[in-house]
Amino acid sequence: ETGVTQTPRHLVMGMTNKKSLKCEQHLGHNAMYWYKQSAKKPLELMFVYNFKEQTENNSVPSRFSPECPNSSHLFLHLHTLQPEDSALYLCASSQGGAKNIQYFGAGTRLSVL
Amino acid sequence: AQSVTQLDSQVPVFEEAPVELRCNYSSSVSVYLFWYVQYPNQGLQLLLKYLSGSTLVKGINGFEAEFNKSQTSFHLRKPSVHISDTAEYFCAVTRPTGGTSYGKLSFGQGTILTVHP
Repeated sequence: ETGVTQTPRHLVMGMTNKKSLKCEQHLGHNAMYWYKQSAKKPLELMFVYNFKEQTENNSVPSRFSPECPNSSHLFLHLHTLQPEDSALYLCASSQGGAKNIQYFGAGTRLSVL
Repeated sequence: AQSVTQLDSQVPVFEEAPVELRCNYSSSVSVYLFWYVQYPNQGLQLLLKYLSGSTLVKGINGFEAEFNKSQTSFHLRKPSVHISDTAEYFCAVTRPTGGTSYGKLSFGQGTILTVHP
């Protein structure tokens, strides 16, 4: 148990569906991250929020829409996805500051049909 | 910017044998270094970290790593592995930040450790 909870753990969706991934951290951290992990590719940072403000968007397609209503919750809204978006989506959080140590959730395994 | 290279994509080893997973980094400034482990269908779990101080860092599950500034390396070692150590291991680097800003982690490509009976 890392203090970062992701739901759902598994998600299967069609290309016309709309779904959301949820991440919640109980560590009192102020920064939250979305990563994409595809088979045989390095971990890709997608978005970063620091104190609820988006500070990083690594050229992610607009079919991925993040939302951070407060420092404890992070969402990733999905719509009209493509099969190549199938991957493990990982959420992480960190305190920030000098010792910026990221803690990860267990991930959501997404399959787009 | 900092980057990490994990020199081996796969490391097979027999149970109870020692193992070393290699990691080299590049950075023009001081760094923090991490090793994460990922078991099948799980997220990344922090194994150990080097922030400052002693260059030999001990982590969970009997792993340790040594920070070598002159060789820009942070190799992970375990003297005797178990079947349950079979997983993918990621080395990561970031730079210290000030105030409440965050530091981006740069990850290596990962090393798959397979422990055979």
